[in-house]
Parts: sequence; C-alpha cells; structure tokens
Amino acid sequence: GEDVEQSLFLSVREGDSSVINCTYTDSSSTYLYWYKQEPGAGLQLLTYIFSNMDMKQDQRLTVLLNKKDKHLSLRIADTQTGDSAIYFCAEGGNQFYFGTGTSLTVIP
Amino acid sequence: DTGVSQDPRHKITKRGQNVTFRCDPISEHNRLYWYRQTLGQGPEFLTYFQNEAQLEKSRLLSDRFSAERPKGSFSTLEIQRTEQGDSAMYLCASSHGTGTDGYTFGSGTRLTVV
Repeated sequence: GEDVEQSLFLSVREGDSSVINCTYTDSSSTYLYWYKQEPGAGLQLLTYIFSNMDMKQDQRLTVLLNKKDKHLSLRIADTQTGDSAIYFCAEGGNQFYFGTGTSLTVIP
Repeated sequence: DTGVSQDPRHKITKRGQNVTFRCDPISEHNRLYWYRQTLGQGPEFLTYFQNEAQLEKSRLLSDRFSAERPKGSFSTLEIQRTEQGDSAMYLCASSHGTGTDGYTFGSGTRLTVV
C-alpha cells in the first residue's frame, strides 16, 4: 500500500468540472480518502468511499472507484477559485498512505 | 472542541539542537498520529498511539525521534540533534477508533533546521 500515484498539476477554468485521478496498490484497503490542503495549512478531509462502493456523491464532489484497476477519481463540479489547492488521495488502515498530491489551479 | 491543535506553528533551530512539538487532539479521539510532510510530497507516516500506547512506528522514525502520549491526551514529538534533513512540516492527526471515517489533521508545525 505504499505506492499511491497522482498527476502533479491540473488547471481548469472557473465553472468547469475538475477530475483528479489516483492509482493505488493495496487491494485490501477498506476505505479510500480524498483530502484538500491549502497553502500553509493542514489537510482537510473532503470525502471517503468504502471499497465495496463504486460511486459516492456529496454536493459538488463525486468519487468514482474502479477496484479492479485500483483507480480512484475525484470530480469537482462547477469548480470555483476557492477550490484551488493540493488534493491528496489516501489509502490505508492503521496508517494512511498518501499520494504526492495534485495541485489544482482554477483560472478565473 | 476546536479541533486538533499543534504548537508551535513554526520553529527555526540550529543544527544539533533538540526540539519538541506538542499536539492536542480532539478530546474524544483515542487515536493520535504523527506524519511528516516535505515540500512537494504527501504526508508520510511516523507513528501512532491508541490512548497512551504507541502501537506502530515507521522506519522513518530514527533513534533521534521520540514520541510520547503519557496520559492518552496530548502528545509530544521530540527530535534530538536535529539535522537539515529534518526540515519539514510535522502534522498531527487524531481519530475516533480506527479512523475509518478519516482523520482530523492539525495545521502542522513547520520545522526549519539551519
């Protein structure tokens, strides 16, 4: 469960949808998580998905899980400038393994 | 409860000095975690406690690092004989039970070793 990969950068225009992708390695992970980190701040839990689900929607956020391909994605609808941040996916149990983060820039 | 608190927010120290950081978790959370985050990377696990017991330590936690949670409430992380490679953000998190619904992170302590 130590290889969690994400693309490093994503730019979108305000109002468009953003899709942040993540691949993980530990098929035994029961839950998978998305965190948001703004500059100089700690990590804020956005949402999580149980491994026996393939989709979870929470307001503007949609998480898709393809367990066969070990692929997780986070879709942010109607992206706003306040969504600019680094987004981390994480898997794990007693300890979490985080990806390197995707820096999302929203262009006004 | 105001969430997970970490103190100090920033620490600049000279190489070779000892530093200690404090974390106050959410009061009803029995698990407390320490992570380290370097620039451009995701957080890396260091150690975690369940109540006062330290249950797991990463190989990243060298002999110069020690963490305690004496009464099962706040925790301290001490780094002895600091090195420049210790410069990082040290993040504390807490959870209720095994944290399947996620951890709550503090804002971190940024350590700079000069």
